[in-house]
Amino acid sequence: DTAVSQTPKYLVTQMGNDKSIKCEQNLGHDTMYWYKQDSKKFLKIMFSYNNKELIINETVPNRFSPKSPDKAHLNLHINSLELGDSAVYFCASSQVGRGVAGELFFGEGSRLTVL
Amino acid sequence: GENVEQHPSTLSVQEGDSAVIKCTYSDSASNYFPWYKQELGKGPQLIIDIRSNVGEKKDQRIAVTLNKTAKHFSLHITETQPEDSAVYFCAASIGNQAGTALIFGKGTTLSVSS
Repeated sequence: DTAVSQTPKYLVTQMGNDKSIKCEQNLGHDTMYWYKQDSKKFLKIMFSYNNKELIINETVPNRFSPKSPDKAHLNLHINSLELGDSAVYFCASSQVGRGVAGELFFGEGSRLTVL
Repeated sequence: GENVEQHPSTLSVQEGDSAVIKCTYSDSASNYFPWYKQELGKGPQLIIDIRSNVGEKKDQRIAVTLNKTAKHFSLHITETQPEDSAVYFCAASIGNQAGTALIFGKGTTLSVSS
């Protein structure tokens, strides 16, 4: 049973389109994240949500809007896609205590290609 | 904000040799330092972690050391095997009572040849 699952696994779209990536975790964790991995493998934090509340937003353009309907789901919606948005997007979850970081469990990634 | 530097970016060793990857961090408030292994087409997976109140931790062939004063930590893999070939990432924690996250180094591609 997959702990952190993302859909779709692959996404190919044209510049200017709007797309969404969905993420669900069945670990009962309170915190979920979105990371972006570029072509050089660099993993960069985008957002962090704790119990549906946005905690961290790391200078991500407004075209990216995370939505957390409940603490098991964190979706990523991207408007007006640009070539530079091409990357692998990873969802992750973690059970952290107050101010205490812990292991992140990653999904398998969603590879977005913008043409 | 936190900045994590990782070296080397690529590392090639012969099977049975040891491999060492080093990282430095900038934020003295960081207190959690995990290492992740990422295989092709997969998400990163935790292989070992260390907290700031510990100087060294070992799990079979892998070990991590932490020097809080110098703000650096290292991953040591002994008796490397071809299946150790992957991209390895170090990370340091950021955050506060509201929430935490991990800032990653740029990764090391380890190749183990038999």
